[in-house]
Amino acid sequence: DAGITQSPRHKVTETGTPVTLRCHQTENHRYMYWYRQDPGHGLRLIHYSYGVKDTDKGEVSDGYSVSRSKTEDFLLTLESATSSQTSVYFCAISVADARADTQYFGPGTRLTVL
Amino acid sequence: AQKVTQAQTEISVVEKEDVTLDCVYETRDTTYYLFWYKQPPSGELVFLIRRNSFDEQNEISGRYSWNFQKSTSSFNFTITASQVVDSAVYFCASQAGAQKLVFGQGTRLTINP
Repeated sequence: DAGITQSPRHKVTETGTPVTLRCHQTENHRYMYWYRQDPGHGLRLIHYSYGVKDTDKGEVSDGYSVSRSKTEDFLLTLESATSSQTSVYFCAISVADARADTQYFGPGTRLTVL
Repeated sequence: AQKVTQAQTEISVVEKEDVTLDCVYETRDTTYYLFWYKQPPSGELVFLIRRNSFDEQNEISGRYSWNFQKSTSSFNFTITASQVVDSAVYFCASQAGAQKLVFGQGTRLTINP
């Protein structure tokens, strides 16, 4: 158990509404990530954070913003949700050992945009 | 840029058969890491293994084994004597610097009783 929670776990919203997904970790890891999972695409990186208030874009960042005001929380915001953002969203943390880093994932949030 | 290809979209076998999931990667980096993750029907992503580019030694863990070959840019995953509980989507991924994982499209493995 990597100590990652995501909320909400399921959400249905309408096109044009703002949506915020929350990722919470309990172990003060520096790196946090947001991915989306879609059929035929595997997981694709949306944004990531390498510290409080330090974030950067991933492969599919258009239409998304993130914020990290505390080490333990990483928020993903869809300013105006579109149907193409219907997906399963996973948060991850990076855990370092003596040789390299490994990403561990939260349980996911299933978002449906009608 | 990195790329990971899992050419097998779906595989279906009968329980107790051996099955190999293929993974081919592309990278220009000399130092990189390769991963396998399992996603069971419940939906969570479970880390299985990480290999470093400088360590081509194959690894076995129970019924699972991994064959890393830099000459063919492959990191294949074999399940021996498959069981119904092995049914899942399996993802191969690579990472080279900047902490970013690049995933393959996934292989859906179904083990039939």
